[in-house]
Amino acid sequence: KAGVTQTPRYLIKTRGQQVTLSCSPISGHRSVSWYQQTPGQGLQFLFEYFSETQRNKGNFPGRFSGRQFSNSRSEMNVSTLELGDSALYLCASSLEQLQETQYFGPGTRLLVL
Amino acid sequence: QKEVEQNSGPLSVPEGAIASLNCTYSDRGSQSFFWYRQYSGKSPELIMSIYSNGDKEDGRFTAQLNKASQYVSLLIRDSQPSDSATYLCAVIGGSYIPTFGRGTSLIVHP
Repeated sequence: KAGVTQTPRYLIKTRGQQVTLSCSPISGHRSVSWYQQTPGQGLQFLFEYFSETQRNKGNFPGRFSGRQFSNSRSEMNVSTLELGDSALYLCASSLEQLQETQYFGPGTRLLVL
Repeated sequence: QKEVEQNSGPLSVPEGAIASLNCTYSDRGSQSFFWYRQYSGKSPELIMSIYSNGDKEDGRFTAQLNKASQYVSLLIRDSQPSDSATYLCAVIGGSYIPTFGRGTSLIVHP
C-alpha cells in the first residue's frame, strides 16, 4: 500500500506570496492532519480534516487554511507569507481518528525569502 | 497552554544498553500518548502508542504511563546504533489537539 505523499517536496517563496501544499493520504484513510515543524518551535499541530470538514484546529493564525476533498486528499494554503513561515510542513493520515496510528508523509520544506 | 516536556539530550548510551527516555505533560485530561522516532531529515515514525496506566511492550520497546504523575517513558532495550535518532513524545488531551515535546536526541555508540 502506498504511503502518504506530499507535493511539492521543496518550495521557495517570497514574503507576501501565498502557497498551496498538497497531501494524498494512505488509501482508505479518512483523517488528514497537518503539522508545522521548525527548529525553534518543534512540531506543532495545524489542523485536522475528516469527511471534508475541519474537525480540530491548532493555534495558528487565519492565514493558514486547508480543505479536504471527497477522495480524502487535502490541501493546505498559507497566505501572505512571512519569513517565520519557513518550515517543514508535514501531513499525516489515519483511518478515522487522531488518536489512532498516524502515518506521516515526507513533508514539504518551505523557504520564505 | 498545554505543555509536553522532554530533555533535549543528547542521551548517549553504549550499544546493547537500555536507553530510557522521559516525558512529562501538563494536561490532566490527556488520554492518548505516543512515541515517535525521527531520523535526521526524515518524517516522524510511530513507535508506540499507550492509552492506559502501566507498561506496554513491543519488541525491544516498552512504553510506561503513569497518569497520576503525568509521566510517560520509553525504554529501548539492547540499543543499536540504528536507534540513534530524535524521539518525540506526543500527547492528545481532551481538546483533541496533539501536543508534541521538543524531542530527545539519542546517540547509541558502538
